[in-house]
Amino acid sequence: EAGVTQFPSHSVIEKGQTVTLRCDPISGHDNLYWYRRVMGKEIKFLLHFVKESKQDESGMPNNRFLAERTGGTYSTLKVQPAELEDSGVYFCASSQHLGTDTGELFFGEGSRLTVL
Amino acid sequence: SQKIEQNSEALNIQEGKTATLTCNYTNYSPAYLQWYRQDPGRGPVFLLLIRENEKEKRKERLKVTFDTTLKQSLFHITASQPADSATYLCALEGYGGATNKLIFGTGTLLAVQP
Repeated sequence: EAGVTQFPSHSVIEKGQTVTLRCDPISGHDNLYWYRRVMGKEIKFLLHFVKESKQDESGMPNNRFLAERTGGTYSTLKVQPAELEDSGVYFCASSQHLGTDTGELFFGEGSRLTVL
Repeated sequence: SQKIEQNSEALNIQEGKTATLTCNYTNYSPAYLQWYRQDPGRGPVFLLLIRENEKEKRKERLKVTFDTTLKQSLFHITASQPADSATYLCALEGYGGATNKLIFGTGTLLAVQP
């Protein structure tokens, strides 16, 4: 069974440009999460989808970030316009259950974003 | 605000010894706590989950303890091997288990010397 896949693995763009990151969760996982790790910091929560609905987007930094999950399958995270401080590794994760049912998150390998 | 502390210094141990990593937290009452392993350039990989009403959880050579009074979790790897070398992340969830919105520590780098 395929794991969580993310594309691209690495993106280098200039300040002001737009980048779209894609995540394909494990098939059958209703819960999809975006997390981010900026240089030297801990991994931080961005948002949570349950199927196609945004359950919690409290971690989104600002309105330059837009996440979608049309049809409840794959998700995209668009940054427009990108700023230098957006550089980091963006992780997608999925889970079948919530919380203490199993609690396990399956992470993708991450999309490294470099904004010059 | 909520804060999680893991030893930021690398932990170097000899093969065969037991590695013990610490996770301390403040201003928080997590419903459960998880430990993940992360290798360079890869995503985190789930290892163990321990609930607030559990004191200890084991899985093969791994053992996790959870002391809600001390607000601390200890992660042990017994009979450590060079292949155990990685960064280990502690993550807490404090929403009654209703979500997987995790708060991560910065991780501790473990290096097991042959």
